[in-house]
Amino acid sequence: DTEVTQTPKHLVMGMTNKKSLKCEQHMGHRAMYWYKQKAKKPPELMFVYSYEKLSINESVPSRFSPECPNSSLLNLHLHALQPEDSALYLCASSKRDFDGTGGTDTQYFGPGTRLTVL
Amino acid sequence: AQSVTQLDSQVPVFEEAPVELRCNYSSSVSVYLFWYVQYPNQGLQLLLKYLSGSTLVKGINGFEAEFNKSQTSFHLRKPSVHISDTAEYFCAVSGDGGTSYGKLTFGQGTILTVHP
Repeated sequence: DTEVTQTPKHLVMGMTNKKSLKCEQHMGHRAMYWYKQKAKKPPELMFVYSYEKLSINESVPSRFSPECPNSSLLNLHLHALQPEDSALYLCASSKRDFDGTGGTDTQYFGPGTRLTVL
Repeated sequence: AQSVTQLDSQVPVFEEAPVELRCNYSSSVSVYLFWYVQYPNQGLQLLLKYLSGSTLVKGINGFEAEFNKSQTSFHLRKPSVHISDTAEYFCAVSGDGGTSYGKLTFGQGTILTVHP
């Protein structure tokens, strides 16, 4: 089972609202990620949590605030967003794959949350 | 530093025809390669991955890819496509940075459109 779930599927919010996106995985994966994807573009990495600690913040504006309450859950808190923040927000989790001498993480993605900021 | 180039932004093809989506990479360290598919308004689904061993990798939905180290390529192929294969396909590379997570570098994507 390689399922990552995300809620809600769609979200419309005003620029003064506060909302949260939720991501969940029960595969025992060691890392979880938030990506932003604009139309016809590849996903852009925002944050990485590894073993529940923030490992990467790709210079994301403070109006996006990630939270990792436990190893299965990842939240993204949104506040005072701009219309240009409208995008598909993807969550992913990963496990280590070894090739004998080293290895890498394989990432599994959720279905995404389509965010529209009015 | 790593980079990925997907040579075709769009590939139109007729149903039941073969297709090849091209991907070239550059990496200064050990390289691990992935193909993901994204159907409209959905997340990314892992099609296949190359870590080591056999250079011909088989994935889901009848897709396969061949790792060619000398040409730094990882092209995706399917011998006979279906309408349902219409989607965007992303090639990605990851290196063994010795970290406790993975960092993917994506190509710009190739939109495959299968016509009846």
